[in-house]
Amino acid sequence: SAVISQKPSRDICQRGTSLTIQCQVDSQVTMMFWYRQQPGQSLTLIATANQGSEATYESGFVIDKFPISRPNLTFSTLTVSNMSPEDSSIYLCSVGDRGRYGYTFGSGTRLTVV
Amino acid sequence: EDKVVQSPLSLVVHEGDTVTLNCSYEVTNFRSLLWYKQEKKAPTFLFMLTSSGIEKKSGRLSSILDKKELFSILNITATQTGDSAVYLCAVEARNNTGKLIFGQGTTLQVKP
Repeated sequence: SAVISQKPSRDICQRGTSLTIQCQVDSQVTMMFWYRQQPGQSLTLIATANQGSEATYESGFVIDKFPISRPNLTFSTLTVSNMSPEDSSIYLCSVGDRGRYGYTFGSGTRLTVV
Repeated sequence: EDKVVQSPLSLVVHEGDTVTLNCSYEVTNFRSLLWYKQEKKAPTFLFMLTSSGIEKKSGRLSSILDKKELFSILNITATQTGDSAVYLCAVEARNNTGKLIFGQGTTLQVKP
């Protein structure tokens, strides 16, 4: 199964600023996804990162707030823009190439907005 | 609307106990159900189930799917303190490969 390197692991940011999270995969994968896990909640899909085209966002998530890039088949970034304390969450990327071991997740980014 | 409901939401047991975690789902055009263990940030894969009635086992963990009744269970026997974690159930629809819909999770605490 794919190995995903996600960074940063954690960050504390001031409200109004932006943070870019990176995911690097050790092999080419067709689909990548970004999830958010708010404190005490389960994972919610933010968007599908499409290589060479605009990301596909789920209901309740917009490109201006969560711009995503997918320049090639091994890399993607998620930016959390104009942050507020409500954006404090764990952000996770995953790859959508379905193998024997399901879908692999990155190590996660714990974001705290103060 | 597709949804996944897990129960119980939390559970406290002692080492050596056996636990059963439940997951019920509603999804259009079901493809698979997955169980993950989340200890810190990243969920780690446990099982992927696609067919009814076929038990999957890995050590002390086992899981089975009932596609008629739309539920799955995850069993952990002879629990250990290292089993303490959040257990997540997710479903995948056939027309949305890779996009997982997660339940709320079951927080399991195993006391020595």
